[in-house]
Amino acid sequence: GENVEQHPSTLSVQEGDSAVIKCTYSDSASNYFPWYKQELGKRPQLIIDIRSNVGEKKDQRIAVTLNKTAKHFSLHITETQPEDSAVYFCAARHQAGTALIFGKGTTLSVSS
Amino acid sequence: GAGVSQSPSNKVTEKGKDVELRCDPISGHTALYWYRQSLGQGLEFLIYFQGNSAPDKSGLPSDRFSAERTGGSVSTLTIQRTQQEDSAVYLCASSLPGGHTEAFFGQGTRLTVV
Repeated sequence: GENVEQHPSTLSVQEGDSAVIKCTYSDSASNYFPWYKQELGKRPQLIIDIRSNVGEKKDQRIAVTLNKTAKHFSLHITETQPEDSAVYFCAARHQAGTALIFGKGTTLSVSS
Repeated sequence: GAGVSQSPSNKVTEKGKDVELRCDPISGHTALYWYRQSLGQGLEFLIYFQGNSAPDKSGLPSDRFSAERTGGSVSTLTIQRTQQEDSAVYLCASSLPGGHTEAFFGQGTRLTVV
């Protein structure tokens, strides 16, 4: 089955800096890669996703890149703000509608 | 309902007792997932339903764990003979069919085994 590795487990940045979180997946058939944000005590919520037919997707300060050959995908947050502090999870799934498998999460702390 | 609903929100049970956790997905969402999140940990996959069938139950940690889904809607996760290590938040998510659709999470059930 699919296995998703996520790094780093914790990340501390100063407000205004950029943050990058990286994930690798094992199943070459996977072609959907969402990112979720979980604030303390709340449920995970989708912030951005990418499909395997594109290499990059942006939404304001957030971008995701995908390298299918290397089976890597990354989340980039620019101009970080204190409200970006949360746990971020990457995930992978392939089109057959199999389980959505998550990485172990990255705790991002943005200090002002 | 407007979102994924889970009940109860909190459950405290004695070691050795059985518990049932309920998930009511968004109407029309045929895909349903159960995850377990221990304190400060990641989202551990338990089981995936497509309609009433479970094509992937590879994440169930032991035969004490089982789940069912009826009418393509409500799902119940049952833990028999609970152990202290079962204490965690159990999260349910649902999505439309297909591989590229957003999964929406419920608020979770916090299970404490004492």
